[in-house]
Amino acid sequence: EVQLVESGGGLVKPGGSLRLSCAASEFTFSSYSMNWVRQPPGKGLEWVSSISNSGSYIYYADSVKGRFTISRDNAKNSLYLHMNSLRAEDTAIYYCAREATFSNAQDYWGQGTLVTVSS
Amino acid sequence: QSALTQPASVSGSPGQSITISCTGTSSDVGGYNYVSWYQQHPGKAPKLMICDVSNRPSGVSNRFSGSKSGNTASLTISGLQAEDEADYYCSSYTSSSTYVFGTGTKVTVL
Repeated sequence: EVQLVESGGGLVKPGGSLRLSCAASEFTFSSYSMNWVRQPPGKGLEWVSSISNSGSYIYYADSVKGRFTISRDNAKNSLYLHMNSLRAEDTAIYYCAREATFSNAQDYWGQGTLVTVSS
Repeated sequence: QSALTQPASVSGSPGQSITISCTGTSSDVGGYNYVSWYQQHPGKAPKLMICDVSNRPSGVSNRFSGSKSGNTASLTISGLQAEDEADYYCSSYTSSSTYVFGTGTKVTVL
C-alpha cells in the first residue's frame, strides 16, 4: 500500500522558517510527480506546489511564490517544502500528495502535518 | 487563481441522488478534461473519487459519477448512503500548469 508520511510541522513565529518532509514508500517514488496541498483549520483545500519526477519542472501557487521552495531527493524517497517568511495565513495542515500517472489528479495523500504561524 | 465555485451544502435522503456543481473558467474547468473530485471525512485526508471529469479510480463505488459542460463540472452521487456524508472538493488543472480547488461542499444525509 502506498504510504506518504509528512513531518516537520509545528509552531513558528511570523517571519520564521520551517521545512516540511514527506517520506514515501511502497511505490517507485522517482517515477511520480508530487504535490503539496494545504488546508487551513476548518477551511477548504488549497494547492501549494508541484514538482516533476526528475525535479525539472516546478510550479507554485501565487500565494507562496518567492517564499516557499519545493524539492525532492529520489535517492531518499523524500519530498520537501522549505517555507520562509511565514505569515499567519500560512497556518494550515500541509498534505503531501502523489500525482497519478494516469491523470492530472492526486491519487494518494498523506495524513498531513500542522503548521501554526503565531506570535 | 480564484477557487472554483461550489455550493456550500447539499443534502439528500438515503437512496436519493444528489449533484454537486463546480464552476470555473475557460482557463481551468472549461479548457481541460482534467477535473477531479475528492471526498474528505472529518479529520481525514482527501480521497480521490473521480479523475479526468468522469473516470473512477479502482475501488471507488460506481454510485459516484462525473460530467462536464462548458466551464461547469458536476459530481453525482446516486443511491445516497450514510457513509457518503462528507466534504467534497473539485479540482482542475489550469493553463498555468497549476491546480485549483473548489470551495468545497458539505454533503448531509438526512
